[in-house]
Amino acid sequence: SQQGEEDPQALSIQEGENATMNCSYKTSINNLQWYRQNSGRGLVHLILIRSNEREKHSGRLRVTLDTSKKSSSLLITASRAADTASYFCATDAKDTDKLIFGTGTRLQVFP
Amino acid sequence: GAVVSQHPSWVICKSGTSVKIECRSLDFQATTMFWYRQFPKQSLMLMATSNEGSKATYEQGVEKDKFLINHASLTLSTLTVTSAHPEDSSFYICSAWTVANYGYTFGSGTRLTVV
Repeated sequence: SQQGEEDPQALSIQEGENATMNCSYKTSINNLQWYRQNSGRGLVHLILIRSNEREKHSGRLRVTLDTSKKSSSLLITASRAADTASYFCATDAKDTDKLIFGTGTRLQVFP
Repeated sequence: GAVVSQHPSWVICKSGTSVKIECRSLDFQATTMFWYRQFPKQSLMLMATSNEGSKATYEQGVEKDKFLINHASLTLSTLTVTSAHPEDSSFYICSAWTVANYGYTFGSGTRLTVV
């Protein structure tokens, strides 16, 4: 399967705690993106990191990329109940124009 | 920014009937669109890549005669689920490649329920 792997599959934390999700992929990429999806709804783009970047920040989000290990992580700091959602990484492979999604992490933040 | 309009947002159909889902790119031309399917609590699986004016390219395991894709114009791609069965019930979402919006703009998705 082309699909990337994410772990953990599910994560439950208390408000205020940090949440870390990891993504591993299989091919050389142009960039890697993270998306959020609330239950049964469309996708919300969170952040894009290019293959020549190692770390990127956006508000409470911090993304890292290690192309040698073909892995990325998404850190959400000071989580809120509203962060409860599924989070997906998606890679844009160098040899195709397809966007392939990881398996996803279901995050539950308890108030 | 670039917007992809997807309709309908939900549809219920009887087993054996066909359902058409439309994706329109607003304010930009989409030479390439992608169709994904998402089963409950699972990730998005790429079904096919649709190129304007040519045949779609289907991913392994996706039946091209069952999921008909038409991309007749630069702003419209359609996915028709033919002879739908309950196992086709899923969330279908399209995406168009554009230089705006980080490269990929997604429709809001269509929830198909086959009864």
